[in-house]
This record gives sequence, C-alpha cells and structure tokens, in this order.
Amino acid sequence: DTGVSQDPRHKITKRGQNVTFRCDPISEHNRLYWYRQTLGQGPEFLTYFQNEAQLEKSRLLSDRFSAERPKGSFSTLEIQRTEQGDSAMYLCASSGDDRGDYGYTFGSGTRLTVV
Amino acid sequence: AQSVSQHNHHVILSEAASLELGCNYSYGGTVNLFWYVQYPGQHLQLLLKYFSGDPLVKGIKGFEAEFIKSKFSFNLRKPSVQWSDTAEYFCAVRGRNNNDMRFGAGTRLTVKP
Repeated sequence: DTGVSQDPRHKITKRGQNVTFRCDPISEHNRLYWYRQTLGQGPEFLTYFQNEAQLEKSRLLSDRFSAERPKGSFSTLEIQRTEQGDSAMYLCASSGDDRGDYGYTFGSGTRLTVV
Repeated sequence: AQSVSQHNHHVILSEAASLELGCNYSYGGTVNLFWYVQYPGQHLQLLLKYFSGDPLVKGIKGFEAEFIKSKFSFNLRKPSVQWSDTAEYFCAVRGRNNNDMRFGAGTRLTVKP
C-alpha cells in the first residue's frame, strides 16, 4: 500500500460544470476525511466518514457538494455547478484508529481551477 | 469553536540557526495537538503529536514541541535547522470529542544554505 491516493491531481473546469474527485485511502483505514485548502491557508475540514457512514459535514459544504463512500473503501467528492470560489486544493486523509487521535495520512490532493 | 493561530507567516533562517514556530489554540476542552509539515511539491506529513503525559514531545527529524496548557500553546522547535527543512509547517488541534482537526494558516520556513 502506497498511502492515500487522489485522482486527478489537477482539474481545470469551466464555471457551471460538475466535477468529481476520487480518494483511495489506506486499505485498512476506516476513517476518511475531506479537506479544502486555499492559497495561504491551512486545510479546512469539509466532511468525514467512518466506514461508509458520513458522520459529519462542515457548514463549508454547501448543497452543491456531495461526498460518498459507498463500500467503506474509496470515496468521491462531487461539486455541482462549480463556481470560481471553488478553486482550491481538495485533500483527502485517512486514519486507522478509532478516533483519528494518532493523526491522519494525507493524499497529495486534487487541485481544482474553475475558469 | 476551536481555532488555531500561527503567529509567523514566513520565517527565514540561515542553516544552523535555531527555530521556534509559535502556535496557540482556542478550545474549551481536552485536545490533541499536532504539527504537520509540507515539503515543496509533497503532501502533508505528520511531524509530531501530543495526547497526554510529558508536555515535551519529540518528533521526526530532530523537531520537538512543548505543550503549555496555561498558555494554550504548542510551539515547535528545532535547535539547528538545515536547508532541507525548508517547507510549510501547520499546527493542528483536535478536540477529544470532535471529529474534525482544525489547522492553522501555516508558517512558511525558508532556510538559506
């Protein structure tokens, strides 16, 4: 296992289009997190899954955003009707302990540019 | 609500200089504290973490951090930096009863050879 994988690495889309990102966590990790990072800021929490259940969503996650983890393995994050303000790095992280207390393993991220 | 403040936006040091990066957090309960590092072009990596016990925590690559509860601080230190320490450093806090980890805005460290 080579860690947390995210696909694609870069995505350029026109405003109004839908985009979907994929995250493959470390295989034995049951917790999966999505974060968003903009230039000059630290990562901001978006949502988190324990196995296939989405247990928490940030207020940052508007109705245009949806995340799934259908079989408790990989996860997808979809943004509908993209806006220029959605341009950011979208980070996925996973954790294997029950509470995520031991820190997260991050992927390299998907950089989204909305033009 | 929990929050994290990193006081220094950009720090420039010469090799062998000592490093201290400030981190203060705001949270009403028991917390776990972390420092992450992001080297140029790479993903975030865990540098060190604090849960309980000895407030002086040692991490990888000679880094350490001290938790001072009375000051709500978790400053990162290294006695002698190297050029390869050039990176962005993020402090993070996670409340024991929360599911999300909050990050500071980060401090960019540039080490001149």
